[in-house]
Amino acid sequence: EVQLLESGGGLVQPGGSLRLSCAASGFTFNNYAMSWVRQAPGKGLEWVSTVSGSGYSTIYAGSVKGRFTISRDNSKNILYMQLNSLRVEDTAIYYCAKDPHNGDYPWWFDPWGQGTLVTVS
Amino acid sequence: EIVLTQFPGTLSLSPGERATLSCRASQTVSNNYLVWYQQKPGRAPRLLIYGASSRATGIPDRFSGSGSGTDFTLTISRLEPEDFAVYYCQQYSTSRGTFGQGTKVEIK
Repeated sequence: EVQLLESGGGLVQPGGSLRLSCAASGFTFNNYAMSWVRQAPGKGLEWVSTVSGSGYSTIYAGSVKGRFTISRDNSKNILYMQLNSLRVEDTAIYYCAKDPHNGDYPWWFDPWGQGTLVTVS
Repeated sequence: EIVLTQFPGTLSLSPGERATLSCRASQTVSNNYLVWYQQKPGRAPRLLIYGASSRATGIPDRFSGSGSGTDFTLTISRLEPEDFAVYYCQQYSTSRGTFGQGTKVEIK
């Protein structure tokens, strides 16, 4: 069974930084692209970033480009997201999710982790 | 960027009724690269449909997807109590996937 478990969320001041982690199990991690998707409180879903299976190719939403960095450690089956220069509008639940293929940009997301809450205030 | 508009915003129905949810794209979604998710309160989204009409593993056959081009539909043939939730469409025909704003299916 595929399992994704996020951690690292918390309360941070504007301009601060956080690193989110997502521990993956139940599949051959380096064979799949992985993504982060966020959801502001009471709002809809927003794709944030995707990294290819090798980790060499990354892509970002315009709202976070230059501030967030996605990466992965295939030896540990962990996906990361470094969040810098955080803004109040970055407050959201951040979900990691598995892509169905190994590509340079996101397809769909299945499954999703349970999410980790980032609050910027 | 492809903008997806879902309607109605809220659908009030009774168990056993048929639900029809719409997702309209601002430009053609090539190859019918569109998916549907279900999200219940406090839970992560769950994939229902991919490629506009293919059911994901374990999804009951009361859920069906259809459409092409710019107009897509999710149909729930007979609502079960566990189907009351928020539903999102998402396109993956461009390099940066975008979501619709969601349709809430609530108990009438």
